[in-house]
Amino acid sequence: AQTVTQSQPEMSVQEAETVTLSCTYDTSESDYYLFWYKQPPSRQMILVIRQEAYKQQNATENRFSVNFQKAAKSFSLKISDSQLGDAAMYFCAYRTVNTNAGKSTFGDGTTLTVKP
Amino acid sequence: DAGVTQSPTHLIKTRGQQVTLRCSPKSGHDTVSWYQQALGQGPQFIFQYYEEEERQRGNFPDRFSGHQFPNYSSELNVNALLLGDSALYLCASSHSRSYSEQFFGPGTRLTVL
Repeated sequence: AQTVTQSQPEMSVQEAETVTLSCTYDTSESDYYLFWYKQPPSRQMILVIRQEAYKQQNATENRFSVNFQKAAKSFSLKISDSQLGDAAMYFCAYRTVNTNAGKSTFGDGTTLTVKP
Repeated sequence: DAGVTQSPTHLIKTRGQQVTLRCSPKSGHDTVSWYQQALGQGPQFIFQYYEEEERQRGNFPDRFSGHQFPNYSSELNVNALLLGDSALYLCASSHSRSYSEQFFGPGTRLTVL
């Protein structure tokens, strides 16, 4: 079974600075998807960024980028130029590419605080 | 496009009661997954529905059941509620041809007293 571990329960960053959230996972599959989701106090789970395991190039979405290390099973999220609106719970998630399995496995999250 | 919608927003029940939560998927999506998110934890997969059948199930007891309708909307039913069932219940929709994207609804907050 796949597992996802987020070792940082809480992180803090100064506005306009850069912060990196860590995630490791365990799987025996060779192809899969990895995601970072943001969940603000409003509870809505919002997709931040997605990485397909067969792609070696790290995904980037504006101020958000990932460092995907497949051999190490590591998938960290870097937030550049942090903004007050980035404050939220961030979840790392794994999903198989098997079309019969839409199940996502989530870590327990990292609470990000952004200080003005 | 309204995205994924869920009802009700909040719900308070007592132990032993039964509850039904509802979800309408994003337009064009045919697959619905349900997750339970306890306070301070990540979402846990309950089950997934596709073509009106339960296709995959997580480690949840039979008290948790569901249904998918021909219009792809879905219900989650929980019988004999326990205090430990208090959580945020999230619905997520996706298309069977591409699970690379899964859109979440705002969730239903269930409190069991």
